[in-house]
Amino acid sequence: AQSVTQLDSQVPVFEEAPVELRCNYSSSVSVYLFWYVQYPNQGLQLLLKYLSGSTLVKGINGFEAEFNKSQTSFHLRKPSVHISDTAEYFCAVGRMNTGFQKLVFGTGTRLLVSP
Amino acid sequence: GAVVSQHPSRVICKSGTSVKIECRSLDFQATTMFWYRQFPKQSLMLMATSNEGSKATYEQGVEKDKFLINHASLTLSTLTVTSAHPEDSSFYICSAREGVGYGYTFGSGTRLTVV
Repeated sequence: AQSVTQLDSQVPVFEEAPVELRCNYSSSVSVYLFWYVQYPNQGLQLLLKYLSGSTLVKGINGFEAEFNKSQTSFHLRKPSVHISDTAEYFCAVGRMNTGFQKLVFGTGTRLLVSP
Repeated sequence: GAVVSQHPSRVICKSGTSVKIECRSLDFQATTMFWYRQFPKQSLMLMATSNEGSKATYEQGVEKDKFLINHASLTLSTLTVTSAHPEDSSFYICSAREGVGYGYTFGSGTRLTVV
């Protein structure tokens, strides 16, 4: 079975500062990796995903993430955050095989950007 | 890009009544749809996986007779909360996937309040 760990429940940061949201996963098989953002009372929006290929993945809104297989990590980064980036961020994994590839989500990290 | 429409966004119902939530894929055919439940400030909990034309697969601990899922077409899945009680109040989110290896698109969620 897969599991996802987001160690930081909340990350406060000042506007225009860089940020890194950590995600570690555990799986006995190869996985797909995703980062989603959720604004209050809304569904999830895909920021970026890693399926294969380059381990550095660029997403929307200036976010990027790097897949590190040896460390089983997929940390999310942004060099300069905006107030509008304040939201809940979820890391998720899906099994890389045929069948019903359900996603397993981490517990989420609340990014709080202040002026 | 792929769009999933979820309706209604908010619903208030009386205890003992049933509520139906719809999830539609607008510009793609969704072979698989997923239903999640999210408690305040918590992660998403997968309730069930539905595939078009077949019975849904429920996660352990989810009452299949209480949460009825129908996936009658490639663009529509419904979740019916039967005989709702206040403890069923939650945020329900659907997700659709076009096929193996494709990304997951989420609906905007439904806030259910049972009074």
